[in-house]
Amino acid sequence: RKEVEQDPGPFNVPEGATVAFNCTYSNSASQSFFWYRQDCRKEPKLLMSVYSSGNEDGRFTAQLNRASQYISLLIRDSKLSDSATYLCVVITGSGGGADGLTFGKGTHLIIQP
Amino acid sequence: DAGVIQSPRHEVTEMGQEVTLRCKPISGHNSLFWYRQTMMRGLELLIYFNNNVPIDDSGMPEDRFSAKMPNASFSTLKIQPSEPRDSAVYFCASSRGQRYGYTFGSGTRLTVV
Repeated sequence: RKEVEQDPGPFNVPEGATVAFNCTYSNSASQSFFWYRQDCRKEPKLLMSVYSSGNEDGRFTAQLNRASQYISLLIRDSKLSDSATYLCVVITGSGGGADGLTFGKGTHLIIQP
Repeated sequence: DAGVIQSPRHEVTEMGQEVTLRCKPISGHNSLFWYRQTMMRGLELLIYFNNNVPIDDSGMPEDRFSAKMPNASFSTLKIQPSEPRDSAVYFCASSRGQRYGYTFGSGTRLTVV
């Protein structure tokens, strides 16, 4: 099993719909989690952290399920501008730098008018 | 804040030539990372520095790759000699701590012909 797995998609979703996708991780000792967004031919940008209690930022909700070892990202009332690739990041080590930090390969989301 | 600055944005070079990629991290960030991104392999960590010191270069594919960070505001990634399979987007990122996430530069799109 890969350390961090994501469904590559693409997810084709009509504008205004709600879409959710998951990211599974293999190491139960993983401690910190993030979602990044990457637009075509651009750099990844931090979208939101994922807290144990779940967190919400506008139309975006991130949740952590430790028992099943996955994190999720839910987008409500999707906009055309939400079209992008969403990368999950899982951190296992507590040390500095990139110790135990793994990027998923991303889920490609296409919002259709 | 100017963000992480990379140069050049695009580089096309012939096989066998030396390539030097440059990065200026965000002031105050003590960690710097070099990543390579391809469609097949996603984001791969090549090397990272903490306080200008290389901590983990296990991701550097071969001896043809080398990286330096002579001071807190500058880093280079050098490929000598370059090969067509080195063609990818190379990202530099900096961070002030894992829990704050990473800030990526715009990347250098390298094509080796």
